Amino acid sequence: NAGVTQTPKFQVLKTGQSMTLQCAQDMNHEYMSWYRQDPGMGLRLIHYSVGAGITDQGEVPNGYNVSRSTTEDFPLRLLSAAPSQTSVYFCASSSDHFSYNEQFFGPGTRLTVL
Amino acid sequence: AQRVTQPEKLLSVFKGAPVELKCNYSYSGSPELFWYVQYSRQRLQLLLRHISRESIKGFTADLNKGETSFHLKKPFAQEEDSAMYYCALEAAGNKLTFGGGTRVLVKP
Repeated sequence: NAGVTQTPKFQVLKTGQSMTLQCAQDMNHEYMSWYRQDPGMGLRLIHYSVGAGITDQGEVPNGYNVSRSTTEDFPLRLLSAAPSQTSVYFCASSSDHFSYNEQFFGPGTRLTVL
Repeated sequence: AQRVTQPEKLLSVFKGAPVELKCNYSYSGSPELFWYVQYSRQRLQLLLRHISRESIKGFTADLNKGETSFHLKKPFAQEEDSAMYYCALEAAGNKLTFGGGTRVLVKP
């Protein structure tokens, strides 16, 4: 049981490039989400999904797209990277979208945009 | 909109001393509160949640609705408690709002 996996671990992009951060979980969790972690600001919710085919915006969605075609996968796309998107990105999952569940986090992807 | 504030960016204590991490929140409804921890080179993981009323690794946290606080306490800090701690609030449906985090350093 690998839990939540993320690839790549590190990535450097140039401004304007696009890329996809991958996230997968093998726990059959309904709820998945993406956060970005910036110094002094904690983690901020980018997008989330309550099940396959359903996605919604979080606190800081601009510049990011998501899709959820399967229960297991929840990729995050940067369409045109900007230096402001330099951050550490965490994917998380939870058994369902009802309240107060523990969220399980992936190891993170450290992204630098030059 | 909800907000979580952790006023201390860094707490440095000696082993065996008490440690208290402050967390204040603003939310108009009835929130659920969590503490998550990230040890060096490990994933962010749940430490404890208010609804469970539990003590984990000697840590406890009390929700004070009057002061809108959820401070984390441990009477005797250990070196293995050195980590980054995040207070988080869930308003509804698994969406967490995190504080800025407090780094705890326990010195021998």
